[in-house]
Amino acid sequence: GAVVSQHPSWVICKSGTSVKIECRSLDFQATTMFWYRQFPKQSLMLMATSNEGSKATYEQGVEKDKFLINHASLTLSTLTVTSAHPEDSSFYICIPGLADKPTPSSYNEQFFGPGTRLTVL
Amino acid sequence: SQELEQSPQSLIVQEGKNLTINCTSSKTLYGLYWYKQKYGEGLIFLMMLQKGGEEKSHEKITAKLDEKKQQSSLHITASQPSHAGIYLCGADMRGNTPLVFGKGTRLSVIA
Repeated sequence: GAVVSQHPSWVICKSGTSVKIECRSLDFQATTMFWYRQFPKQSLMLMATSNEGSKATYEQGVEKDKFLINHASLTLSTLTVTSAHPEDSSFYICIPGLADKPTPSSYNEQFFGPGTRLTVL
Repeated sequence: SQELEQSPQSLIVQEGKNLTINCTSSKTLYGLYWYKQKYGEGLIFLMMLQKGGEEKSHEKITAKLDEKKQQSSLHITASQPSHAGIYLCGADMRGNTPLVFGKGTRLSVIA
């Protein structure tokens, strides 16, 4: 079964509000969590790398003050979209770092968060 | 930085026809993954290739990785409407590095 849970699976919010997405590793500790987003008809693009106990690193073009990442424990990483706008509407997904996975290296869907579909009105 | 080129971007085939999707890396891969997805939904794992020259099959889908481990193809035989969706390749570069995804191929199968 899945070893990564993500919550909520979908959320609709008003423009200007903040939304928190939680990603939990079940049965193993994830020192690293990768956050991706996917706009309609596009591929999954890496947004940021979350490291337990240290600051996240962001990809070029991703605003760190808008997408707050917290990785306070080895089983929980959160992504908060602050002051969300319609252009932030996207599908967000978390994937733990390869070195963290408890079983042979294989990025099958067990090791993916199921994703969060965010719609900002 | 690692890039994956995936082609074609979209594909419309008649039911029963064969098709091939390609994925090319600018660097040698540690592992190459193929997924199927519908937008806004999770990824469905299809296959993983790790060895040069490796080929794997599952039902009517076959994936190959070239000897240099830089190019992979996904081949669907006798396509069916159930094969429709977005196909993504993902590159694993070894170690604690993020998966890099191709831009995806949107497959439509028409009767």
